[in-house]
Amino acid sequence: GENVEQHPSTLSVQEGDSAVIKCTYSDSASNYFPWYKQELGKGPQLIIDIRSNVGEKKDQRIAVTLNKTAKHFSLHITETQPEDSAVYFCAARGFGNEKLTFGTGTRLTIIP
Amino acid sequence: DTAVSQTPKYLVTQMGNDKSIKCEQNLGHDTMYWYKQDSKKFLKIMFSYNNKELIINETVPNRFSPKSPDKAHLNLHINSLELGDSAVYFCASSRQGKVELFFGSGTQLSVL
Repeated sequence: GENVEQHPSTLSVQEGDSAVIKCTYSDSASNYFPWYKQELGKGPQLIIDIRSNVGEKKDQRIAVTLNKTAKHFSLHITETQPEDSAVYFCAARGFGNEKLTFGTGTRLTIIP
Repeated sequence: DTAVSQTPKYLVTQMGNDKSIKCEQNLGHDTMYWYKQDSKKFLKIMFSYNNKELIINETVPNRFSPKSPDKAHLNLHINSLELGDSAVYFCASSRQGKVELFFGSGTQLSVL
């Protein structure tokens, strides 16, 4: 089955700086890679996703890049703000597979 | 409000008891899920139902029994609770053919 590894487990950045979180996956058939943000006391919420036919996708301050050959994908947050503090999860899903496999999460803290 | 709602939010109980967690979604989605999040924040799928039919059943003790009376509800019943069952349980839903998961706000289960 799919195995998703995520690094780092914790990340602290100064407000205004950029944050990068990286994930690797094991199943070369995986073709969908979402990122979820979990705020304290809430369920995870989708913030951005990318499919395997695209190398990069951007939405305002967040972007995701995908390297299919190396089987890794990354989340980039620029101009970080205090409200970006949360736990972020990457995930991967294979074609025709209902199951989303999550990474182990990254606790991002933005230092004012 | 359109959402995934689960009750109760907190559940504290003694070892050996039987308890249920309820989940309802009014998003018109066809597929519902139960995820378990342990103390290290690791999110793991337990079950998935599509139109009241079980489609994913991960390696979960058979003390856990999901029940879907209709496609808007997916309840989780747990028999003979153990200390290791302490975790946050998330219900989620998705529309058939779409990959985005919508999560409830979680039920924190503490087994004493």
